[in-house]
This record gives sequence, structure tokens and C-alpha cells, in this order.
Amino acid sequence: QKEVEQDPGPLSVPEGAIVSLNCTYSNSAFQYFMWYRQYSRKGPELLMYTYSSGNKEDGRFTAQVDKSSKYISLFIRDSQPSDSATYLCAMSQGAQKLVFGQGTRLTINP
Amino acid sequence: GAVVSQHPSWVICKSGTSVKIECRSLDFQATTMFWYRQFPKQSLMLMATSNEGSKATYEQGVEKDKFLINHASLTLSTLTVTSAHPEDSSFYICSATGEGQETQYFGPGTRLLVL
Repeated sequence: QKEVEQDPGPLSVPEGAIVSLNCTYSNSAFQYFMWYRQYSRKGPELLMYTYSSGNKEDGRFTAQVDKSSKYISLFIRDSQPSDSATYLCAMSQGAQKLVFGQGTRLTINP
Repeated sequence: GAVVSQHPSWVICKSGTSVKIECRSLDFQATTMFWYRQFPKQSLMLMATSNEGSKATYEQGVEKDKFLINHASLTLSTLTVTSAHPEDSSFYICSATGEGQETQYFGPGTRLLVL
């Protein structure tokens, strides 16, 4: 079993839809949870960062962490074609080694 | 803030030659830098972790004599692919973190093609 599981998709939704991306994990020691967005042939860009459980909102993006269920989510409201990318969840026990999910390929159709 | 650059962005070389990739933190001091490799449609694979002034720690299965990492200053780390072969062709990405930062910031990546 992988430490972090993420559905690789692909996921295709119409413009304006709410997108839900999810990851599950097995290591209860993880304290830091991140979502990165990666466009084709580019490096990952930090989108959301959360420490421990709870919600965090930034514009159209909301990150949720449920440590009791070992489950994290990223919601994108009013999705735009420019949101089309691969979304990677990542987590760690500290600033050191990140453990990544497989990444979900998302396409927003105009 | 927290900008990381890489150079070159892409490189083509002949089999048997060595290639150096630079990773720089532009607006913070990077106490730790990481090097990743990414194959098409796959996630990032950590190759090694380097702390400024120390030898790099390599992940299992990564040949340290083939992938030489130097982290000589708080803003620069280099990855040298020695005697490159076509199977070394990949997307190499660095990341960095510094004091008080609890996550990593990634560079734009370097695409290596070995002919």
C-alpha cells in the first residue's frame, strides 16, 4: 500500500463547475499537507498549505484536512480553463521529505 | 517571495557527456535543497536531499557517483549527471526550503535529453 493514494484521473469537468480532488494517506505522523499545481513541462507550484487538521480558503480554492480519517481534499470553485493542470497532494512530518500522491490530471472544458 | 530558479531549462547532450544543472533560491537562504526526477505522467521521485555545506543524502536506488550533488552555498545547489545515457533523459526538478519555512518551493525544472 502506498503511503499516499491519489486518483490519477483524468478528470474532466465543464467550466464553472466545482472540482473536488482528494488524497488518502496511511502515516498518522504527517502534520503538513500541501497541494501543488503543475502545468505541463513546468515545476510544481505551491497552491495551498495546511498544518494539521482544518480548513483553509484562498480565493476559489479551499483545502480540507481530516486527520482522523487520514483524508485531505482540495475544492476549486467556479473552475476556469486555466485551472487545467495536474494537481499533486503532498504531505510531510516537517520541512524535510515530502511524500507525493500520483497527481490528478484535471481538464476544465470551456 | 520564495522563488527558485533552475538553469538551463532544457539541455540536449550526447551520450557519455556530463551535464550540470543549477538550482538557485532567489529571495531566501535555502538551508536544504532537494532534487527530484519526473517521468512523463508520473509523480515526482525524490533523488537526494542536500544541506548546505554537507554531503547529499541519496534515496535508495539512486547512484551517487552518477548524480553528483553540490550545495556549496545557501542559494545554490548543482546536480551533475555524469556520463549521461539515454535512460537518464528525464525532467529534473529542484526544490528548496529555508529557516522558518515548513514546505518546499520548487524550481521550473530542467528537461534533459540524452542522444
